[in-house]
Amino acid sequence: AQKVTQAQTEISVVEKEDVTLDCVYETRDTTYYLFWYKQPPSGELVFLIRRNSFDEQNEISGRYSWNFQKSTSSFNFTITASQVVDSAVYFCALSEAGGGSTLGRLYFGRGTQLTVWP
Amino acid sequence: DAGITQSPRHKVTETGTPVTLRCHQTENHRYMYWYRQDPGHGLRLIHYSYGVKDTDKGEVSDGYSVSRSKTEDFLLTLESATSSQTSVYFCASRGAYMNTEAFFGQGTRLTVV
Repeated sequence: AQKVTQAQTEISVVEKEDVTLDCVYETRDTTYYLFWYKQPPSGELVFLIRRNSFDEQNEISGRYSWNFQKSTSSFNFTITASQVVDSAVYFCALSEAGGGSTLGRLYFGRGTQLTVWP
Repeated sequence: DAGITQSPRHKVTETGTPVTLRCHQTENHRYMYWYRQDPGHGLRLIHYSYGVKDTDKGEVSDGYSVSRSKTEDFLLTLESATSSQTSVYFCASRGAYMNTEAFFGQGTRLTVV
């Protein structure tokens, strides 16, 4: 079973639209960490944000915001007023810290390809 | 940015030949990872290491082996390359704590013909 599910394979929007990328995770650990990465067309993987399981506060950074909800095991990412430069593949990832056999593993979703048209 | 480099960046090899990809990090990170990226599959974990000489399998480990004889180096070997191993391979490293982000290398595009 997938530990991290990104159900949206591709999303296309027009510039200045808001867009939300969904991420649903699965874990039995009470301590875990969630991450978002961006992979622009150039191919490198860029870290965007980290969230721990004890902190459900939403976070805003410029046009980016993240909504973490433990009740629904979701960690969604919203881009407000999207721009062409936001076009990229976005990955959600999970790291468990419960000390079991999965300690140290970093699980990624399949990614969402976001295309922003001018 | 963390210093993590992969070599080679591109490689074309023939079916049946062994291939070794190298990952080098200068951050003294405890954990290192090898992923492959294929369309529709995202990043899939091949192997990872939690210390020198300590490695474990990921979800797609068949046909691959790894070695970590020094903290800074993590080698991925395709024992006998097959066309299904044509992919982009990413190495990553991160510190000892699970709340730290991973830093990625630039990727290696491997083509098996």
